[in-house]
Amino acid sequence: GAVVSQHPSWVICKSGTSVKIECRSLDFQATTMFWYRQFPKQSLMLMATSNEGSKATYEQGVEKDKFLINHASLTLSTLTVTSAHPEDSSFYICSARIANYGYTFGSGTRLTVV
Amino acid sequence: GENVEQHPSTLSVQEGDSAVIKCTYSDSASNYFPWYKQELGKGPQLIIDIRSNVGEKKDQRIAVTLNKTAKHFSLHITETQPEDSAVYFCAASRGAGNTPLVFGKGTRLSVIA
Repeated sequence: GAVVSQHPSWVICKSGTSVKIECRSLDFQATTMFWYRQFPKQSLMLMATSNEGSKATYEQGVEKDKFLINHASLTLSTLTVTSAHPEDSSFYICSARIANYGYTFGSGTRLTVV
Repeated sequence: GENVEQHPSTLSVQEGDSAVIKCTYSDSASNYFPWYKQELGKGPQLIIDIRSNVGEKKDQRIAVTLNKTAKHFSLHITETQPEDSAVYFCAASRGAGNTPLVFGKGTRLSVIA
C-alpha cells in the first residue's frame, strides 16, 4: 500500500518549452505532496510543499513562477517546469507523508532540457 | 529549520565486512529518522527507520541506532554483499502535519568482492 505513481519517468524537451510531471496517490489520499529535485551526485533538495486546494509553499531560492505546482485533488499533484532551460535538467521526485507510517516516494522523473 | 549532516561521503568495504554510516541532526523536535537506499536513476527506497521513542532497531543485516541526547543516528550493515553497493541517505523529520523529510548529503557505499 501507500504507492505514489509518478509520470513520466523520463522526458527530453527543447529549451523554452514546458514540461508537466504528475504524481498520483494510488491507494490513499495525499493532502500534502512534497517535491524534491536531485542534481547528479547530490542529495534530494526540497523544492516545495503542495497542499490540496491551496497554494504551494516554496523553499527559498525556488522560483514559484517557473515551477508551477497544482494540487487540485487528494490524489493528484503536478509540477510544471515552465520555459525550461538546460540548467533545469535534473531528477524530480515527489513524496507524500502517510500518517503513522512514514513517507512514500514516486519513482522520479529524469528531465533533460536540450 | 532542520539540518542533517552525513558522514562519510564515500565508503568502500570488502565483501563480508560491516559498514557504518553516521548522521547528526539539529532540530530536537525531529522524531522520525529513516534511511534510504538509492540506485542509479531510481527513487529512494526505504530500508529501515526509527522513531525517537526507540534507541535501536534491527532488520536482518541492517540496524539503526539513535542517540537523542547527542542528536545522532547511525546505520549499520553487517556481512555486506556486492548488491549493497548504492548511495544511502539518512533523513529526519518531525513526522507530523506538513513537515517534509530533510536529507543528508548521502554516502556512496562500494562493496568490493
